[in-house]
Amino acid sequence: SQTIHQWPATLVQPVGSPLSLECTVEGTSNPNLYWYRQAAGRGLQLLFYSVGIGQISSEVPQNLSASRPQDRQFILSSKKLLLSDSGFYLCAWSERGGDSPLHFGNGTRLTVT
Amino acid sequence: SQQGEEDPQALSIQEGENATMNCSYKTSINNLQWYRQNSGRGLVHLILIRSNEREKHSGRLRVTLDTSKKSSSLLITASRAADTASYFCATDAVNSWGKLQFGAGTQVVVTP
Repeated sequence: SQTIHQWPATLVQPVGSPLSLECTVEGTSNPNLYWYRQAAGRGLQLLFYSVGIGQISSEVPQNLSASRPQDRQFILSSKKLLLSDSGFYLCAWSERGGDSPLHFGNGTRLTVT
Repeated sequence: SQQGEEDPQALSIQEGENATMNCSYKTSINNLQWYRQNSGRGLVHLILIRSNEREKHSGRLRVTLDTSKKSSSLLITASRAADTASYFCATDAVNSWGKLQFGAGTQVVVTP
């Protein structure tokens, strides 16, 4: 069966520090990979989307970047965090092709102080 | 931007009652999906309904889709305390390449 791992679960970082959140998927090949951010009490905002190694689509201009160095590894990064980067970050995967639901990790709660 | 908008924002019911929440969207879709999120956790996929379908059932869940009104509803029958969670609709818009747009969610509290 497929599993998705996302870490760390919680993170407190000072403003201006770097960020690296990692997500890995097991049990599937060539998945679509996603990073979403969820503000408190709000819906999900799609940040990045990837259909393959090195192929990243950025959905909103921001202080963040994403990379996909391996087929089932997706990394969210920042060189210098802002207070506004605080939130709940969710990684997800889906099968290629239409009508494929998203499978989410358990998320990372990031607090920038 | 958010495609789906859920209504109501919050819902409080007692065990055994039915819970109904609605989702409205703006553009043509390939499918519409419902997800559940327990506090502080990731989302879990509940059900997917395609644009050419009008109703779908899964256990105690019933989803309807009206593409002419661009709306969907999720009904949870005979609710349980364990159904307490936030529920989100997500739309797979035409030409979106599978990138789902989520609404802000409905927070459901089921009291014993």
